[in-house]
Amino acid sequence: KAGVTQTPRYLIKTRGQQVTLSCSPISGHRSVSWYQQTPGQGLQFLFEYFSETQRNKGNFPGRFSGRQFSNSRSEMNVSTLELGDSALYLCASSLWASSGGNNEQFFGPGTRLTVL
Amino acid sequence: QQQVKQSPQSLIVQKGGISIINCAYENTAFDYFPWYQQFPGKGPALLIAIRPDVSEKKEGRFTISFNKSAKQFSLHIMDSQPGDSATYFCAALNNNAGNMLTFGGGTRLMVKP
Repeated sequence: KAGVTQTPRYLIKTRGQQVTLSCSPISGHRSVSWYQQTPGQGLQFLFEYFSETQRNKGNFPGRFSGRQFSNSRSEMNVSTLELGDSALYLCASSLWASSGGNNEQFFGPGTRLTVL
Repeated sequence: QQQVKQSPQSLIVQKGGISIINCAYENTAFDYFPWYQQFPGKGPALLIAIRPDVSEKKEGRFTISFNKSAKQFSLHIMDSQPGDSATYFCAALNNNAGNMLTFGGGTRLMVKP
């Protein structure tokens, strides 16, 4: 079974631009979560999508947004990029059959975003 | 507010020794506690996980010990190997709130040959 894939793997942008990152979950997984990883703040939850609906959102500004498609693939978008947005953006997928169900999350390799 | 505190930040262990990483949480609604292993340039990989209805779970050389009353859990790596050198993250999740992992700050483990 193929794992979680993320594209692109590396991205360089300049301040003020916007960026879209893509995540394809493991086949059959319906929950996709996004995390930001930085040396200073560690791993922080951005948001989670389940059946095309945002179910949870972390403490990030509105410049960070996402969506999920009917095939469970997800995208996240960051608008008006700032230097502090430089980070590794990780996507995780989970089966999540129902509340109390299998909530093991499997991470992709991440997208390394550098903002200049 | 850091809800999961992890220690130590870094750890050096001799090959064959026991590596111990500790985590403490504040939110009593957490009911799922995974550990992740991350190598440079890779995403975190799920290592082992535990639910609060058990006090210990063992998978190979990896053991989680869980103390619900103290709100603490720890990872023990027995017979540590140089290939175990990586960053380890504990995490916690409230199953009723969805798939939102709260991570500890991470422990950089180095196993010396």
